[in-house]
Amino acid sequence: DAEITQSPRHKITETGRQVTLACHQTWNHNNMFWYRQDLGHGLRLIHYSYGVQDTNKGEVSDGYSVSRSNTEDLPLTLESAASSQTSVYFCASSESSDGNQPQHFGDGTRLSIL
Amino acid sequence: AQTVTQSQPEMSVQEAETVTLSCTYDTSESDYYLFWYKQPPSRQMILVIRQEAYKQQNATENRFSVNFQKAAKSFSLKISDSQLGDAAMYFCAYRSPLSGNTPLVFGKGTRLSVIA
Repeated sequence: DAEITQSPRHKITETGRQVTLACHQTWNHNNMFWYRQDLGHGLRLIHYSYGVQDTNKGEVSDGYSVSRSNTEDLPLTLESAASSQTSVYFCASSESSDGNQPQHFGDGTRLSIL
Repeated sequence: AQTVTQSQPEMSVQEAETVTLSCTYDTSESDYYLFWYKQPPSRQMILVIRQEAYKQQNATENRFSVNFQKAAKSFSLKISDSQLGDAAMYFCAYRSPLSGNTPLVFGKGTRLSVIA
């Protein structure tokens, strides 16, 4: 069965370190998204991609970057981790052709920055 | 920009009873999609139900139904015969149909507790 997987599931790191969260989907979806979830804020969009070599900034993109070198993967990088980036991160993917199709979510990565 | 508001941070319901979670949104578009997602303690995001704005008929999925009022920009979720497994965070989400498959805009969520 097709799926979307995130790794690691949990990570603890220190401020100033570079951190990369992996997202891999086997749906063959063109669209991929990264969200962060914080108490009292719901899910907020960080970056998204509509295909290979395409990346776009979302609502809370400062301090984050993504790259899309193939259809399956959209890694999220925190260039210099800050305590304000402690959060749960979700990756999602969806089809391009039908806006009614839901986004499929990974199980999330809980990132703690000390 | 579109916004989604869930005015109830927490709700509780007795097992087997009915509960309604509210969601309102702000948009100038006439065509769009609305979703309810459930997030249990396992952290998964599970699609509960979806509604296309151009369809007047309210969507229904088993015990879950919506009351979609386009003019009022309201999209509430009704859960009938509540079960212990319904306990979760519930998120309302909006998607614009413009430019293909655009990102979701989420509300802040409602935490639902089910009392045995």
